[in-house]
Amino acid sequence: EVQLVESGGGLVQPGRSLKLSCAASGFTFSDYNMAWVRQAPTKGLEWVASISYGGSNTHYGDSVKGRFTISRDNAKSTLYLQMDSLRSEDTATYYCARLARVSYWFAYWGQGTLVTVSS
Amino acid sequence: DIQMTQSPASLSASLGETVTIECRASEDIYNGLAWYQQKPGKSPQLLIYNANSLHTGVPSRFSGSGSGTQYSLKINSLQSEDVASYFCQQYYDYPYTFGAGTKLELK
Repeated sequence: EVQLVESGGGLVQPGRSLKLSCAASGFTFSDYNMAWVRQAPTKGLEWVASISYGGSNTHYGDSVKGRFTISRDNAKSTLYLQMDSLRSEDTATYYCARLARVSYWFAYWGQGTLVTVSS
Repeated sequence: DIQMTQSPASLSASLGETVTIECRASEDIYNGLAWYQQKPGKSPQLLIYNANSLHTGVPSRFSGSGSGTQYSLKINSLQSEDVASYFCQQYYDYPYTFGAGTKLELK
């Protein structure tokens, strides 16, 4: 069974940093592209970033480009999101998602971790 | 960026009814479209990919259709467990973009 468990969320002040983790199990992590998707309270979904299975290719949404960094450790089956220069508008639940093997839809999602940016 | 316009924003239907949700892309996305269901307090779940392919384990009362810029999700014989929000998403090009969502309630 595919399992994705996010951690690292919490309350952080504007301008500070936070690093999210996503522990994967139930599949061969190194075979799949991965992504982060977020959802502001009572709002819709926003794709944040994606990373290729080997980690060499990354893509970012315009609102986080230059501030967030997606990475992965295939030996630990873990996905990361380093979030710097946080803003109030980054407040959201952050979901880790596994993409399909040969395409780009989000086949499986974690339960999410809440990040609140506030002074 | 490709804009995804989803309609209606909310929908009220009766048990057993057939429901259709529409999604329009601002340019041709060549069937690079997925539909997700999100129940209250839960994470999204994939329903449909490639516009019309049913994800593993999804009931056959869900179906997707469309091409070019126009796509739709149909739910036949609405069940109580289908109460949720539904989102479309294009993955034809970066940045991936979602529709604003449709909240489905029981009448």
